[in-house]
Amino acid sequence: GENVEQHPSTLSVQEGDSAVIKCTYSDSASNYFPWYKQELGKRPQLIIDIRSNVGEKKDQRIAVTLNKTAKHFSLHITETQPEDSAVYFCAASQEKGGGNKLTFGTGTQLKVEL
Amino acid sequence: SAVISQKPSRDICQRGTSLTIQCQVDSQVTMMFWYRQQPGQSLTLIATANQGSEATYESGFVIDKFPISRPNLTFSTLTVSNMSPEDSSIYLCSVVPGNNQPQHFGDGTRLSIL
Repeated sequence: GENVEQHPSTLSVQEGDSAVIKCTYSDSASNYFPWYKQELGKRPQLIIDIRSNVGEKKDQRIAVTLNKTAKHFSLHITETQPEDSAVYFCAASQEKGGGNKLTFGTGTQLKVEL
Repeated sequence: SAVISQKPSRDICQRGTSLTIQCQVDSQVTMMFWYRQQPGQSLTLIATANQGSEATYESGFVIDKFPISRPNLTFSTLTVSNMSPEDSSIYLCSVVPGNNQPQHFGDGTRLSIL
Protein backbone atom coordinates (compact mmCIF):
# COMPACT_ATOMS: atom_id res chain seq x y z
CA GLY A 1 0.00 0.00 0.00
CA GLU A 2 0.84 3.68 -0.13
CA ASN A 3 3.22 5.19 2.43
CA VAL A 4 3.56 8.95 2.89
CA GLU A 5 6.40 10.51 4.84
CA GLN A 6 6.27 14.13 5.97
CA HIS A 7 8.96 16.49 7.26
CA PRO A 8 9.54 18.36 9.45
CA SER A 9 7.31 17.30 12.32
CA THR A 10 7.52 20.78 13.84
CA LEU A 11 8.35 24.09 12.19
CA SER A 12 8.71 27.48 13.83
CA VAL A 13 8.99 30.63 11.71
CA GLN A 14 8.84 34.35 12.28
CA GLU A 15 5.82 36.21 11.03
CA GLY A 16 6.38 37.24 7.44
CA ASP A 17 8.85 34.47 6.69
CA SER A 18 8.17 31.52 4.39
CA ALA A 19 7.42 27.96 5.49
CA VAL A 20 8.06 24.80 3.49
CA ILE A 21 6.74 21.33 4.32
CA LYS A 22 7.87 18.31 2.33
CA CYS A 23 6.27 14.93 1.67
CA THR A 24 7.32 11.82 -0.19
CA TYR A 25 5.09 8.99 -1.36
CA SER A 26 5.85 5.43 -2.35
CA ASP A 27 3.16 4.36 -4.82
CA SER A 28 3.79 5.64 -8.34
CA ALA A 29 0.09 5.06 -9.11
CA SER A 30 -0.92 7.88 -6.76
CA ASN A 31 -2.15 10.84 -8.77
CA TYR A 32 -3.87 13.21 -6.35
CA PHE A 33 -2.17 15.09 -3.51
CA PRO A 34 -4.19 17.30 -1.15
CA TRP A 35 -3.01 19.35 1.80
CA TYR A 36 -5.14 19.82 4.92
CA LYS A 37 -4.85 22.32 7.73
CA GLN A 38 -6.13 21.30 11.15
CA GLU A 39 -6.47 23.83 13.92
CA LEU A 40 -6.69 22.59 17.48
CA GLY A 41 -9.99 20.83 18.11
CA LYS A 42 -11.22 21.44 14.56
CA ARG A 43 -11.78 19.34 11.46
CA PRO A 44 -9.06 19.00 8.81
CA GLN A 45 -9.74 21.56 6.10
CA LEU A 46 -8.50 21.33 2.54
CA ILE A 47 -6.24 24.26 1.67
CA ILE A 48 -4.84 23.22 -1.70
CA ASP A 49 -4.51 20.14 -3.86
CA ILE A 50 -2.63 19.08 -6.96
CA ARG A 51 -3.03 16.36 -9.53
CA SER A 52 -0.21 14.52 -11.22
CA ASN A 53 -0.74 16.21 -14.57
CA VAL A 54 0.64 19.52 -13.25
CA GLY A 55 3.87 20.42 -11.50
CA GLU A 56 2.80 23.46 -9.52
CA LYS A 57 -0.33 25.15 -8.26
CA LYS A 58 -0.70 28.43 -6.43
CA ASP A 59 -3.47 30.06 -4.45
CA GLN A 60 -2.54 33.45 -3.01
CA ARG A 61 0.10 32.81 -0.32
CA ILE A 62 -0.03 29.03 -0.68
CA ALA A 63 1.63 26.93 -3.36
CA VAL A 64 2.21 23.25 -3.91
CA THR A 65 4.88 21.68 -6.11
CA LEU A 66 4.98 18.09 -7.33
CA ASN A 67 7.90 16.07 -8.66
CA LYS A 68 6.46 12.81 -10.00
CA THR A 69 9.85 11.36 -10.89
CA ALA A 70 11.17 11.76 -7.37
CA LYS A 71 7.74 11.07 -5.83
CA HIS A 72 7.74 14.08 -3.62
CA PHE A 73 5.58 17.17 -3.18
CA SER A 74 5.88 20.27 -1.06
CA LEU A 75 3.70 22.96 0.48
CA HIS A 76 4.98 26.52 0.43
CA ILE A 77 3.44 29.27 2.54
CA THR A 78 4.75 32.79 1.98
CA GLU A 79 4.36 35.85 4.20
CA THR A 80 3.27 33.70 7.12
CA GLN A 81 0.78 35.09 9.62
CA PRO A 82 -0.12 33.99 13.16
CA GLU A 83 -3.37 32.48 11.87
CA ASP A 84 -1.30 30.07 9.76
CA SER A 85 -0.32 28.32 13.00
CA ALA A 86 -1.84 24.82 12.87
CA VAL A 87 -1.04 21.21 12.02
CA TYR A 88 -0.65 20.58 8.30
CA PHE A 89 -1.16 17.14 6.75
CA CYS A 90 -0.19 16.04 3.28
CA ALA A 91 -1.97 13.08 1.69
CA ALA A 92 -1.87 10.94 -1.41
CA SER A 93 -4.48 8.92 -3.25
CA GLN A 94 -5.43 7.31 -6.52
CA GLU A 95 -8.45 8.80 -8.16
CA LYS A 96 -10.42 6.65 -10.58
CA GLY A 97 -9.67 3.09 -9.63
CA GLY A 98 -7.91 3.72 -6.36
CA GLY A 99 -11.09 4.43 -4.48
CA ASN A 100 -10.09 7.99 -3.48
CA LYS A 101 -8.68 6.60 -0.25
CA LEU A 102 -6.36 9.12 1.36
CA THR A 103 -3.09 8.07 2.94
CA PHE A 104 -1.91 10.83 5.24
CA GLY A 105 1.52 11.97 6.27
CA THR A 106 2.35 12.26 9.95
CA GLY A 107 1.68 15.99 10.12
CA THR A 108 3.69 19.18 10.67
CA GLN A 109 3.01 21.49 13.60
CA LEU A 110 3.60 24.99 12.23
CA LYS A 111 4.06 27.82 14.68
CA VAL A 112 4.25 31.39 13.42
CA GLU A 113 5.83 33.63 16.00
CA LEU A 114 5.30 37.36 16.28
CA SER B 1 -19.26 22.06 -0.67
CA ALA B 2 -21.35 19.47 1.16
CA VAL B 3 -22.36 20.17 4.76
CA ILE B 4 -21.45 17.22 6.97
CA SER B 5 -23.06 16.71 10.37
CA GLN B 6 -21.60 14.21 12.77
CA LYS B 7 -23.20 13.04 16.01
CA PRO B 8 -22.34 12.86 18.82
CA SER B 9 -19.58 15.45 18.91
CA ARG B 10 -18.08 13.79 21.95
CA ASP B 11 -18.81 11.05 24.44
CA ILE B 12 -17.35 9.32 27.44
CA CYS B 13 -18.07 5.61 27.57
CA GLN B 14 -17.44 2.66 29.81
CA ARG B 15 -15.19 -0.13 28.59
CA GLY B 16 -17.01 -3.06 27.08
CA THR B 17 -19.85 -0.93 25.72
CA SER B 18 -20.54 0.12 22.12
CA LEU B 19 -21.23 3.50 20.56
CA THR B 20 -22.74 4.35 17.20
CA ILE B 21 -21.60 7.52 15.43
CA GLN B 22 -23.77 9.08 12.75
CA CYS B 23 -22.72 11.03 9.69
CA GLN B 24 -25.34 12.97 7.74
CA VAL B 25 -24.64 14.91 4.55
CA ASP B 26 -26.93 17.56 3.12
CA SER B 27 -26.61 16.22 -0.43
CA GLN B 28 -26.01 12.91 -2.16
CA VAL B 29 -22.32 12.08 -2.30
CA THR B 30 -20.33 9.57 -4.27
CA MET B 31 -18.13 8.25 -1.51
CA MET B 32 -18.07 8.22 2.28
CA PHE B 33 -15.19 7.21 4.51
CA TRP B 34 -14.45 6.74 8.20
CA TYR B 35 -11.09 7.74 9.70
CA ARG B 36 -9.55 7.50 13.14
CA GLN B 37 -7.25 10.12 14.60
CA GLN B 38 -5.56 9.03 17.81
CA PRO B 39 -4.44 11.78 20.20
CA GLY B 40 -1.71 13.91 18.61
CA GLN B 41 -1.50 11.62 15.60
CA SER B 42 -2.36 11.63 11.93
CA LEU B 43 -5.52 10.29 10.31
CA THR B 44 -5.86 6.60 9.49
CA LEU B 45 -8.54 5.24 7.20
CA ILE B 46 -10.78 2.66 8.86
CA ALA B 47 -13.04 1.81 5.93
CA THR B 48 -14.92 2.96 2.87
CA ALA B 49 -18.66 2.99 3.49
CA ASN B 50 -20.34 1.48 0.44
CA GLN B 51 -23.95 2.34 -0.28
CA GLY B 52 -26.16 -0.72 0.01
CA SER B 53 -23.34 -3.21 0.62
CA GLU B 54 -20.69 -4.16 3.14
CA ALA B 55 -17.98 -1.63 3.88
CA THR B 56 -14.43 -2.12 2.62
CA TYR B 57 -12.04 -2.27 5.57
CA GLU B 58 -8.39 -1.34 5.66
CA SER B 59 -5.71 -3.56 7.08
CA GLY B 60 -5.94 -3.70 10.84
CA PHE B 61 -9.65 -2.91 11.02
CA VAL B 62 -12.41 -5.54 11.09
CA ILE B 63 -16.16 -5.50 10.72
CA ASP B 64 -16.82 -7.09 14.11
CA LYS B 65 -15.05 -4.21 15.86
CA PHE B 66 -16.18 -1.38 13.55
CA PRO B 67 -19.47 -2.28 11.88
CA ILE B 68 -20.50 0.34 9.32
CA SER B 69 -23.78 1.00 7.60
CA ARG B 70 -24.60 3.19 4.63
CA PRO B 71 -28.26 2.79 3.76
CA ASN B 72 -28.34 5.66 1.24
CA LEU B 73 -26.17 8.30 -0.43
CA THR B 74 -26.43 10.84 2.41
CA PHE B 75 -26.04 8.84 5.63
CA SER B 76 -23.63 6.45 7.30
CA THR B 77 -22.97 5.09 10.77
CA LEU B 78 -19.86 3.72 12.43
CA THR B 79 -20.15 1.60 15.56
CA VAL B 80 -17.19 1.16 17.87
CA SER B 81 -17.86 -2.17 19.59
CA ASN B 82 -16.69 -3.59 22.89
CA MET B 83 -14.68 -0.48 23.59
CA SER B 84 -11.39 -0.39 25.46
CA PRO B 85 -9.23 2.60 26.47
CA GLU B 86 -7.16 2.06 23.30
CA ASP B 87 -10.22 3.09 21.27
CA SER B 88 -10.06 6.61 22.71
CA SER B 89 -9.70 8.71 19.57
CA ILE B 90 -11.39 11.17 17.30
CA TYR B 91 -13.50 9.43 14.66
CA LEU B 92 -14.14 11.42 11.50
CA CYS B 93 -16.35 10.82 8.54
CA SER B 94 -15.45 12.29 5.20
CA VAL B 95 -17.16 12.55 1.84
CA VAL B 96 -16.25 12.92 -1.80
CA PRO B 97 -19.21 14.78 -3.30
CA GLY B 98 -18.54 13.73 -6.90
CA ASN B 99 -15.95 12.76 -9.46
CA ASN B 100 -12.70 14.73 -9.26
CA GLN B 101 -13.93 16.61 -6.21
CA PRO B 102 -11.87 16.89 -3.02
CA GLN B 103 -12.60 15.04 0.17
CA HIS B 104 -14.19 16.98 3.02
CA PHE B 105 -14.36 16.06 6.68
CA GLY B 106 -16.98 16.27 9.36
CA ASP B 107 -16.20 17.82 12.73
CA GLY B 108 -15.42 14.45 14.24
CA THR B 109 -16.52 12.56 17.34
CA ARG B 110 -14.16 12.74 20.29
CA LEU B 111 -14.47 9.46 22.13
CA SER B 112 -13.01 8.70 25.56
CA ILE B 113 -13.25 5.28 27.16
CA LEU B 114 -12.86 4.88 30.89
